[in-house]
Order: sequence, then C-alpha cells, then structure tokens
Amino acid sequence: DAKTTQPTSMDCAEGRAANLPCNHSTISGNEYVYWYRQIHSQGPQYIIHGLKNNETNEMASLIITEDRKSSTLILPHATLRDTAVYYCIVRVGGATNKLIFGTGTLLAVQP
Amino acid sequence: GAVVSQHPSWVICKSGTSVKIECRSLDFQATTMFWYRQFPKQSLMLMATSNEGSKATYEQGVEKDKFLINHASLTLSTLTVTSAHPEDSSFYICSASLTSGLIYNEQFFGPGTRLTVL
Repeated sequence: DAKTTQPTSMDCAEGRAANLPCNHSTISGNEYVYWYRQIHSQGPQYIIHGLKNNETNEMASLIITEDRKSSTLILPHATLRDTAVYYCIVRVGGATNKLIFGTGTLLAVQP
Repeated sequence: GAVVSQHPSWVICKSGTSVKIECRSLDFQATTMFWYRQFPKQSLMLMATSNEGSKATYEQGVEKDKFLINHASLTLSTLTVTSAHPEDSSFYICSASLTSGLIYNEQFFGPGTRLTVL
C-alpha cells in the first residue's frame, strides 16, 4: 500500500472550516483514499473514502486532485468535539485488506 | 452504523498471567477482524488479521505464541495475551469489516481495551 504524508498538527477556530491535507504521491490506480479519526483514548472512527471523485457525506468532504497524488479532508464547520488525530490511509478496496496507520494530523479546534 | 464492542474496556493484571480480550460485531457479520496495539502518543500498529474459521495472519515482529487469536464465529474474535509482562501494557483495539460483495468496505473499530500489567 502507498504511504501518506500529513502535517503533524494543525489548529482551527471553532465554527470555521478545517482543511486537512494529505500527500500520497505513489498511490496506485486501484487504491482508495480513506480518512479516519481518533479521539483521545477511543477507537478510530471512519469518516469518508474516495477513489478519484470528490466525495461528501454528513461528516466531511473529500477533495482528491486530478492526478490523485494528494487529497484534502474538509470539516465544514469545526467544533470542539472534532479535536482528534486524523489519519489519511490509502489501500486497495476489499473487506480483508488491512489498514496501515501513519502518524496522522492532530487537529486542535480552538474556542 | 455498524457497532463493534470490546470487553473488557480496561484490565489490570499481574505479570505472568494471561488476559483475554473479546471483540464482537454486534449488528453485522464479519469474516475478517483485525487487532491493533497502540502505545501512548503513538499511532495504531496492526498486530494480526483474523479470519473466521482459520488461523490468524500475524504482522512481522508480532509473536503468535504470545498473542493468541481465535475467530470462532462471524461475530466474535478473541485476543489472549499470554504470560503478560509490563511491556505488554498498551491500548488494544480491534476492527471488523462487513462481509459483503462491496469492494470498498470500511472497517469499524471497537472502543479499545486498556491493558496494564503490573
């Protein structure tokens, strides 16, 4: 599976949009981009995933560049409860395919 | 959404004893479950992939005789830490994937089990 690069930490003001970048320059054509987050001392939570089109759900939007070498997770209106470590992972789709977690980005939402 | 539970949520044991952690998919069937370990201020590290009815596949560097994994049904996988030592103290997290024909099944994670070995 391709590796990803994310900033170590980011700050965001409450109520503003949080834009979390991820570089995955070696992504293969059959690899999806997944985003998970982990609030302190809890299990990771699935946020969103995509292959090449932009995706949106009730939690976030995922913007993938045309060359698929990078993506951005957007939380449109960050709240204090969105403070967490956000992980960008690329992997081939399939129920039996494992997720390999990198170091992620610690997003701190400030009041 | 799909719910995964773990039991116990925390456990304290003496060095040399064995500890069993259960992972259950409550409202769906999971052919494959995964076990992770997380040390303080570090990321999740995959330990093994557990497949129902067959032997688990361990990641490099993970001792299969120390971390026994059993996946006896489509809703239950167990991790037993045998002869636990203080260095095994960690946050153990399981996840499960929906059993379906979709190729982009996300994994659903349990809340984790904090193990402290004295």
